Amino acid sequence: KQEVTQIPAALSVPEGENLVLNCSFTDSAIYNLQWFRQDPGKGLTSLLLIQSSQREQTSGRLNASLDKSSGRSTLYIAASQPGDSATYLCAPPPPGRRALTFGSGTRLQVQP
Amino acid sequence: EPEVTQTPSHQVTQMGQEVILRCVPISNHLYFYWYRQILGQKVEFLVSFYNNEISEKSEIFDDQFSVERPDGSNFTLKIRSTKLEDSAMYFCASELPPMDTQYFGPGTRLTVL
Repeated sequence: KQEVTQIPAALSVPEGENLVLNCSFTDSAIYNLQWFRQDPGKGLTSLLLIQSSQREQTSGRLNASLDKSSGRSTLYIAASQPGDSATYLCAPPPPGRRALTFGSGTRLQVQP
Repeated sequence: EPEVTQTPSHQVTQMGQEVILRCVPISNHLYFYWYRQILGQKVEFLVSFYNNEISEKSEIFDDQFSVERPDGSNFTLKIRSTKLEDSAMYFCASELPPMDTQYFGPGTRLTVL
């Protein structure tokens, strides 16, 4: 059974800092991993999907990396802004399945 | 940009009542999902649906739950006899293979009294 852990659980930073959010998963035989953003009381917004054949995927100020062998993914946020304040969720599916397994998320607060 | 929609945004029901949560997935997508998130907890997978049948389901998705795609656009989740512990935010998602990205709707908050 896939278990997903996200560290840190919460993070508060001043605007402009570069951030690293960590995700680890127990079963490394995944074929992709998706990162989401969740605003309080809202749905999930897909940020990036990284395939197992890729090591990195970039979208604007976001960069996700994947190291399957160590069971880790990292979301890097450059030049953080107050609008980035949200909970960030990592979700790899278990091997051979499409259903996503979610971590508890990292709650990010960017101070103006 | 196409998006997944869900209705209602909030549903309040009495324990033991049946509820139907509705979703309109993105029009050309082929895989459909229901997830739920109990307040303060992780998002949990319930069921996936492909080619008019359930393709995966979790332990949570017991006989009290059912899904249906009654027409070419809607995807529904029915809970036959709601329990207090069914109170949660229910999310619908859809996907177009081989893109693998799941797109989520805004959710329906279900409150069981």
